[in-house]
Amino acid sequence: DTGVSQDPRHKITKRGQNVTFRCDPISEHNRLYWYRQTLGQGPEFLTYFQNEAQLEKSRLLSDRFSAERPKGSFSTLEIQRTEQGDSAMYLCASSSDTNQPQHFGDGTRLSIL
Amino acid sequence: AQSVTQPDIHITVSEGASLELRCNYSYGATPYLFWYVQSPGQGLQLLLKYFSGDTLVQGIKGFEAEFKRSQSSFNLRKPSVHWSDAAEYFCAVVRPGGGNKLTFGTGTQLKVEL
Repeated sequence: DTGVSQDPRHKITKRGQNVTFRCDPISEHNRLYWYRQTLGQGPEFLTYFQNEAQLEKSRLLSDRFSAERPKGSFSTLEIQRTEQGDSAMYLCASSSDTNQPQHFGDGTRLSIL
Repeated sequence: AQSVTQPDIHITVSEGASLELRCNYSYGATPYLFWYVQSPGQGLQLLLKYFSGDTLVQGIKGFEAEFKRSQSSFNLRKPSVHWSDAAEYFCAVVRPGGGNKLTFGTGTQLKVEL
């Protein structure tokens, strides 16, 4: 069990640029989740996958956000035309089943200049 | 609205003292309940979980939590705090049938005085 891995750990970009984050879940986990955490708040759910199927998306996930999990293994989260309000920690988690706890990666911290 | 409340934003305790962090939820049915801990710049580590059964659950690092249905609470406790316990603690719930997505409280920042 190597844990959930996220890359990069930090990303600084200018407003209006596109960014992409990657998450590698624990290998046998078929469920993968994305959350966003702003300063002083708890994480907020963005979206989740079961295998390659994206089963639910939060209203927080505007049309500038897109997530994929093409082969049911790693996932990417892309933000287009970044805005100041996108500055946050983006957390990925995975679990083996519906009723199993989620294990989190260390997150990608996004800073928009 | 369905929510998770952690009423204490900051708590300071002396090393060796006991600790209780409060968590209340408002859902129609009993959700699945979790406590996570987050150190600065890190992800979240699961401390313990409650799905059903015994209402007192044991977790890692000497933590325990008690589910009280009548109070809609799931408070986290530790009998003797260590300086390394300083971190932010999040209570979270999953609504049964809710796709396993976690809803978090706003967190409690724990400071430990030596």
